[in-house]
Amino acid sequence: GENVEQHPSTLSVQEGDSAVIKCTYSDSASNYFPWYKQELGKGPQLIIDIRSNVGEKKDQRIAVTLNKTAKHFSLHITETQPEDSAVYFCAVSGYSTLTFGKGTMLLVSP
Amino acid sequence: DTAVSQTPKYLVTQMGNDKSIKCEQNLGHDTMYWYKQDSKKFLKIMFSYNNKELIINETVPNRFSPKSPDKAHLNLHINSLELGDSAVYFCASSPHQNTEAFFGQGTRLTVV
Repeated sequence: GENVEQHPSTLSVQEGDSAVIKCTYSDSASNYFPWYKQELGKGPQLIIDIRSNVGEKKDQRIAVTLNKTAKHFSLHITETQPEDSAVYFCAVSGYSTLTFGKGTMLLVSP
Repeated sequence: DTAVSQTPKYLVTQMGNDKSIKCEQNLGHDTMYWYKQDSKKFLKIMFSYNNKELIINETVPNRFSPKSPDKAHLNLHINSLELGDSAVYFCASSPHQNTEAFFGQGTRLTVV
């Protein structure tokens, strides 16, 4: 089955800094790569996703990059704000369900 | 309007009991899922249904039995609850397989 590794497990930044979270996957047939944000007491919420025919996608302060050859993709958050503090999950899908990384707890200090 | 709603939000029960969690989606999606999130926040797929048909059962004990009466509902029944079943259970839905998933708010199950 698919194996997804996510790093780092925790990330602390100052408000206004950039944050980068990286994931690697094992199945070269995987073609869908979403990122989810989970706030305390809530379900994961999709923030951005990318398919394998695209190398980069941006939505305001967040962007995702994908390197299919190396089988890794990254989430970039610029100009971080305290409300960005949450757990972020990468996920990978090939044919059916999503396989999630173990999550990154992002803490943005004012 | 809540897109994916699950009830109850909290469930505290004794070992050995049987309990159910209900899930409904009003998005018109074909595919529904149950995920388990453990104390370390790890999200693991349990079941996946597509148009009421079970398509994935990921090595879940047979004490867990999903039921999909129609495309908009996927309920989870758990028999003979054990301490290790304590976790947050998330229902989710997606338009089709291999597309974005929308999650419910979760059910925190505590077995004492």
